[in-house]
Amino acid sequence: SQELEQSPQSLIVQEGKNLTINCTSSKTLYGLYWYKQKYGEGLIFLMMLQKGGEEKSHEKITAKLDEKKQQSSLHITASQPSHAGIYLCGADYPRGSNYKLTFGKGTLLTVNP
Amino acid sequence: DTEVTQTPKHLVMGMTNKKSLKCEQHMGHRAMYWYKQKAKKPPELMFVYSYEKLSINESVPSRFSPECPNSSLLNLHLHALQPEDSALYLCASSQAGTGSNYGYTFGSGTRLTVV
Repeated sequence: SQELEQSPQSLIVQEGKNLTINCTSSKTLYGLYWYKQKYGEGLIFLMMLQKGGEEKSHEKITAKLDEKKQQSSLHITASQPSHAGIYLCGADYPRGSNYKLTFGKGTLLTVNP
Repeated sequence: DTEVTQTPKHLVMGMTNKKSLKCEQHMGHRAMYWYKQKAKKPPELMFVYSYEKLSINESVPSRFSPECPNSSLLNLHLHALQPEDSALYLCASSQAGTGSNYGYTFGSGTRLTVV
């Protein structure tokens, strides 16, 4: 079973509209990351959340982690074509004495001008 | 320097070839990672090195051989690959062992095609 569920799988919005992407974990999150990826390219770090109730913003993107540390949301305000891409949430899960960064399946965002 | 540099960006190799992927960082990070990403799929962890020692091997076939010669450099040696190994190979690093305190920095990847 998937440890990290991400929704929606894809999203098409009109430029200027707001949107939200969700990420739900089956286990308590030790660290939750949001990355953006253009097809075939590397991952661009957006934000990291660790504390329950934490909220971070950068430009028009806001990410929140719920109090129980099992759900996170990424909200984009007034979307622009430059926001288009694949958004991935990632989480650290303990693996023995280490942690393993596991990703959700991603959300493909298309912003129509 | 806040980057992870991967070379080459593209690689085409035959099934009998031996090649290597290289990853370098100068951020002082002591953990380095190899991920494999197939088309339209999320990255999947292959190997983790912590303080230059292999700490996680996600049951990767032996035709993939990682090497960490020093704290700044990570290699992935490839031998006798199969066409299904064609993918984007991503390298990442983090500050202090594995864990979530400081986040992960990813390189831009090597696009590998096995013919």
